[in-house]
Amino acid sequence: GAVVSQHPSRVICKSGTSVKIECRSLDFQATTMFWYRQFPKQSLMLMATSNEGSKATYEQGVEKDKFLINHASLTLSTLTVTSAHPEDSSFYICSVGRPSSTDTQYFGPGTRLTVL
Amino acid sequence: GENVEQHPSTLSVQEGDSAVIKCTYSDSASNYFPWYKQELGKGPQLIIDIRSNVGEKKDQRIAVTLNKTAKHFSLHITETQPEDSAVYFCAASIIGRGSTLGRLYFGRGTQLTVWP
Repeated sequence: GAVVSQHPSRVICKSGTSVKIECRSLDFQATTMFWYRQFPKQSLMLMATSNEGSKATYEQGVEKDKFLINHASLTLSTLTVTSAHPEDSSFYICSVGRPSSTDTQYFGPGTRLTVL
Repeated sequence: GENVEQHPSTLSVQEGDSAVIKCTYSDSASNYFPWYKQELGKGPQLIIDIRSNVGEKKDQRIAVTLNKTAKHFSLHITETQPEDSAVYFCAASIIGRGSTLGRLYFGRGTQLTVWP
């Protein structure tokens, strides 16, 4: 499988601050990365699709000005939670994949965000 | 869009017994079905996947079956061990579209507990 890293693994911040989460594809160049959020005991909810060199595609109901996504290189995508509030506290996970006959997606270890 | 249903939501088995998790999907165009295992506080890990041109796939104690006509697929774990305890997610996707990586549609997850 592919190796995907996320940084930081855990972050605690005060309400109103912005937090940046990095997702790196360590094995291959990823033209597409996905960002998910997951609440306790729930499934993964797709937030946006991050395409290298172009604007991200956001799912319905996800505020693009709130969750800024930058996919500046083929190995790095960042998610910035702007003006974070306690309701933004969640587990954020990225996935990467290389279009092929299987289109397999590999997930990062996740980032636990806690907003006080 | 695609709708994936997963059952049961919780499953408890004795060590050594078999466990079966079932999923149904709605979009007949879906042709790729991965299964992910997620341990507490970690990102999902791909454990097995199957394409629609195959009816069954096995990897040691894990097997997946697919019934395209009925639009359902199942995960079978034999000789369960306590370390199999985790949340399992099924997913469906449409693959093979060249440069576009298929989006995954997830089930709600199954909490599997294996008692020693």
